[in-house]
Amino acid sequence: EAGVTQSPTHLIKTRGQQATLRCSPISGHTSVYWYQQALGLGLQFLLWYDEGEERNRGNFPPRFSGRQFPNYSSELNVNALELEDSALYLCASSLGLARVFGPGTRLTVL
Amino acid sequence: RKEVEQDPGPFNVPEGATVAFNCTYSNSASQSFFWYRQDCRKEPKLLMSVYSSGNEDGRFTAQLNRASQYISLLIRDSKLSDSATYLCVVIEGGGADGLTFGKGTHLIIQP
Repeated sequence: EAGVTQSPTHLIKTRGQQATLRCSPISGHTSVYWYQQALGLGLQFLLWYDEGEERNRGNFPPRFSGRQFPNYSSELNVNALELEDSALYLCASSLGLARVFGPGTRLTVL
Repeated sequence: RKEVEQDPGPFNVPEGATVAFNCTYSNSASQSFFWYRQDCRKEPKLLMSVYSSGNEDGRFTAQLNRASQYISLLIRDSKLSDSATYLCVVIEGGGADGLTFGKGTHLIIQP
């Protein structure tokens, strides 16, 4: 059974551009969670999607947005990129109360 | 304000030694606890859940102390491959994501 997959592995953008990150949860799982892990910081919760709906979001500005498709895959969009958006972006499925993470997308903003 | 605190380390430990580190949490209503392992530039991977009675998985033992609000991870007979960052995760139940991650403890096992 495939785990959580994410693409691309790496993404390099410049300030002001937009980034789109993609995730597919574990097969059959309806929820997708997005996290940001910036250097020196812990994992910060970004967004939670379930059954195509945004269920909750963390303390991030509106330029962080996303959606979930009918097949439960998800997209995270970051508009008007800033240097401090450089981070590892992780997508996760639920495993009971815990989370199973994908390999992440490393976003670098120059 | 909910907080999960970990000593960032690094803990430099000789191979074969026993090492333990703690994670303190501020919310007494916290319900569930986990330890994750994260290798450099990789995603966190679930290491083990932490049960109230304590639990063991091979060389790893996890303990919960609700009175003092901390969880611990003990690694016996440490291996070079145990070198990683260990994250504790506290679930408080209800609302938002419900999970709070510690920033991790960096462990280096030296030959």
